[in-house]
Amino acid sequence: EDKVVQSPLSLVVHEGDTVTLNCSYEVTNFRSLLWYKQEKKAPTFLFMLTSSGIEKKSGRLSSILDKKELFSILNITATQTGDSAVYLCAVEAAYSGGGADGLTFGKGTHLIIQP
Amino acid sequence: NAGVTQTPKFQVLKTGQSMTLQCAQDMNHEYMSWYRQDPGMGLRLIHYSVGAGITDQGEVPNGYNVSRSTTEDFPLRLLSAAPSQTSVYFCASSDPTGGYGYTFGSGTRLTVV
Repeated sequence: EDKVVQSPLSLVVHEGDTVTLNCSYEVTNFRSLLWYKQEKKAPTFLFMLTSSGIEKKSGRLSSILDKKELFSILNITATQTGDSAVYLCAVEAAYSGGGADGLTFGKGTHLIIQP
Repeated sequence: NAGVTQTPKFQVLKTGQSMTLQCAQDMNHEYMSWYRQDPGMGLRLIHYSVGAGITDQGEVPNGYNVSRSTTEDFPLRLLSAAPSQTSVYFCASSDPTGGYGYTFGSGTRLTVV
């Protein structure tokens, strides 16, 4: 059974701090790992990672995957109150026909940025 | 370009009633899937489809039916609603070759009383 574990489950920091969110996984036939941001509505896509050691960046957010140790981290620098959200990590397994057979999500990290 | 559209946004059902949650996408994505989100449980996969005419079960398929007659639509049917099906339901679509992840609809909040 595929499994995704995120830590910490909740985190409170002050504006301007840097945070690191963790995601470890166990999956048969790994295809990709994805990060999403959820603010009381639909999850919005942040990153999709398929290769080890290649950092993906978008503004103050960055993420990297380690396929040997089976984990990923999401970094947010110079945090702002608008970064407050639940951050979800998910893994995608390869379908027997070569496509994907759905996402397995972690329980999420609830991040609160205090002014 | 509307993305993924789900209807209705809210629904209250009585135990034993049936209903269909609608999901449509206009991005020509082959892959579509349904998830439910419960407090403390994260999102869990109900059913998915890799193309028109092809569906398969996810982690929590019991009590739900799906079909995929067109690329655009992927409805989720609750056959006989139970209070345990009270949840927020999300539909998602993706292009497996695109590298842009899954696009989620805005969700349907379902309460079964």
